[in-house]
Amino acid sequence: GQQLNQSPQSMFIQEGEDVSMNCTSSSIFNTWLWYKQDPGEGPVLLIALYKAGELTSNGRLTAQFGITRKDSFLNISASIPSDVGIYFCAGQNYGGSQGNLIFGKGTKLSVKP
Amino acid sequence: GAVVSQHPSWVICKSGTSVKIECRSLDFQATTMFWYRQFPKQSLMLMATSNEGSKATYEQGVEKDKFLINHASLTLSTLTVTSAHPEDSSFYICSASTASGGGDTQYFGPGTRLTVL
Repeated sequence: GQQLNQSPQSMFIQEGEDVSMNCTSSSIFNTWLWYKQDPGEGPVLLIALYKAGELTSNGRLTAQFGITRKDSFLNISASIPSDVGIYFCAGQNYGGSQGNLIFGKGTKLSVKP
Repeated sequence: GAVVSQHPSWVICKSGTSVKIECRSLDFQATTMFWYRQFPKQSLMLMATSNEGSKATYEQGVEKDKFLINHASLTLSTLTVTSAHPEDSSFYICSASTASGGGDTQYFGPGTRLTVL
């Protein structure tokens, strides 16, 4: 089945620094999504990307859907302590079971004040 | 909008008992609901997909007789873990989508922490 490689697995950065993480896949997706999960909570959708090459921002977050449709990256600018959490990428296709989300293994972000 | 709730948020039960977890879409009608399981420091693993009024579709390796799913209305799905054992202890998360087949944005509930003693 389709698998996503998400990197890095974890990051420990200073407050104010920029963060970048990415996901790659062996096969294409129609949609890429980025979620954030806080401890003991469900994932919260940050950004959804629907078109190859699309670059979308949500506040300090920017994500891009790769031209090949096999990758995506998420950038966080000027990190703050509340950015701490686990970030998951997810790929999705259309129709039937292909509409299911395939999740990456997550990137754990720690921010030092 | 697009709020999904789960109840209970946590539950502790004895081995051999059954536990029911509810997932509700509060402000939209969910044609499709999904149940995930997440072990500590792991990603979310899809257990099953359910469409309102029809039987759930289970992922490979998930026992349908152990994890009973009912999606009786467009706003409620339930997961019952039958004869729970310690290895069933996990974080169970549901999500809901407005599209049939799930080809639409999924909104996640806050999760239910199950601990089986």
